Amino acid sequence: GESVGLHLPTLSVQEGDNSIINCAYSNSASDYFIWYKQESGKGPQFIIDIRSNMDKRQGQRVTVLLNKTVKHLSLQIAATQPGDSAVYFCAENMRNTGRRALTFGSGTRLQVQP
Amino acid sequence: DTEVTQTPKHLVMGMTNKKSLKCEQHMGHRAMYWYKQKAKKPPELMFVYSYEKLSINESVPSRFSPECPNSSLLNLHLHALQPEDSALYLCASSQDRAALAKNIQYFGAGTRLSVL
Repeated sequence: GESVGLHLPTLSVQEGDNSIINCAYSNSASDYFIWYKQESGKGPQFIIDIRSNMDKRQGQRVTVLLNKTVKHLSLQIAATQPGDSAVYFCAENMRNTGRRALTFGSGTRLQVQP
Repeated sequence: DTEVTQTPKHLVMGMTNKKSLKCEQHMGHRAMYWYKQKAKKPPELMFVYSYEKLSINESVPSRFSPECPNSSLLNLHLHALQPEDSALYLCASSQDRAALAKNIQYFGAGTRLSVL
């Protein structure tokens, strides 16, 4: 079936470098996407979202890029810090189905080396 | 404030026990959710309540019974669970307004459940 997935299960970066976490989705009906960060022992924490009518959205140190042509989503973290170490999930929602539910990708673990 | 509070944080129960997980939010959200998360896996949707009515049940076994007493509270009643039901159970809430294009869900810290 159609699903949201990630290319890399683990990403290791040096402190201060930029990180890019990727996500592929296959459902063309997806019109809203969210990135969550989940630290050990905690629930997922909202980072940033983007609607399908946009291709880029920026937050504080984070940028989400959406390429609908190839059904690809990425999360860029600038000047990665040790506190950014966590598992990152992309999630998609198909609002036009009336289904108020998110489907999560498989997740990428980000490890920040000091 | 985007806080969703779940209790208890940890729960150990036998297969013949009956227990309940509780979730509370005071953000005025009208949609509430239960997810199950196994280790190193993404959250999997179990139930969705919209305006205190069950709107989605993802074919969850009847040994899990959700309840939404009011717009701020969500319970998950557990009975006769199996060891494979051991997982992190997450509650979330969102505004749930059809006119909005967004559906940001805010999560609690979860209840770590162990079934012996």
